[in-house]
Amino acid sequence: GEDVEQSLFLSVREGDSSVINCTYTDSSSTYLYWYKQEPGAGLQLLTYIFSNMDMKQDQRLTVLLNKKDKHLSLRIADTQTGDSAIYFCAGENDMRFGAGTRLTVKP
Amino acid sequence: DAGVIQSPRHEVTEMGQEVTLRCKPISGHDYLFWYRQTMMRGLELLIYFNNNVPIDDSGMPEDRFSAKMPNASFSTLKIQPSEPRDSAVYFCASSSSNGGTPPGELFFGEGSRLTVL
Repeated sequence: GEDVEQSLFLSVREGDSSVINCTYTDSSSTYLYWYKQEPGAGLQLLTYIFSNMDMKQDQRLTVLLNKKDKHLSLRIADTQTGDSAIYFCAGENDMRFGAGTRLTVKP
Repeated sequence: DAGVIQSPRHEVTEMGQEVTLRCKPISGHDYLFWYRQTMMRGLELLIYFNNNVPIDDSGMPEDRFSAKMPNASFSTLKIQPSEPRDSAVYFCASSSSNGGTPPGELFFGEGSRLTVL
C-alpha cells in the first residue's frame, strides 16, 4: 500500500541478526504492528509497540520506533530457519499493508 | 473459537465465470476486511465493513468486484465476470473494537487461492 514502505527482500545466515525496516505515513496510530506471514498462511500478529515508546523487547525480537522520522524497525536476534517468512508493518488506524519484506534464512 | 474461516481454499475457474469467495469472521468481531495478495502488488485492502456496513470500498478494483455482509457472521466477495488478472490469494480478516490487547489486532483467515484460466 501507499502508506508504508519496506524493502522487498532480506537474506541472512542462520544465527545472524535480521533487521527489517519500515517507513510509514500515518501518524495517528496509537499502536504500530509487525505481522508475520508464513508460506501458505494468513498474517499473524508478531509484536507491536505503543506509539509513546522508543523500544520494545520481546525475547529475540526488538522493535524500535522513531516517531520523528516515522521509521519502525524489527530486529530478530539469532535468526532461525523458522523465521523465514514475509513481514509486514502497519498502524492501528490504517489497515493497509505494502508488499512486506520477504526474509530468507540460509542454514 | 475456530478463527476466521474462508472458503474455498482453492478455486480454479475459466475466464468469464462468476467466482464467490466466503468468509466467516470470529464471533463478536465488528470489523471485517477483504484483502488481495499478489507478487506484483503485495497485500491490497479491497474493502472493509464495520457492523456489516461497508465503510471503505476504494480498493475494489472495478465494477466486476462486489462484496456483501448480510449479517455479522458471513461475508462474500464476488467477481463477475472473472479475468486471468484476478488470479491471486484473497484474504479475509476480522477485528474487534471492544478491547483486546493490542486494540485493532487483525485476525486473518488462511486465504482463498484463485486461479482464472
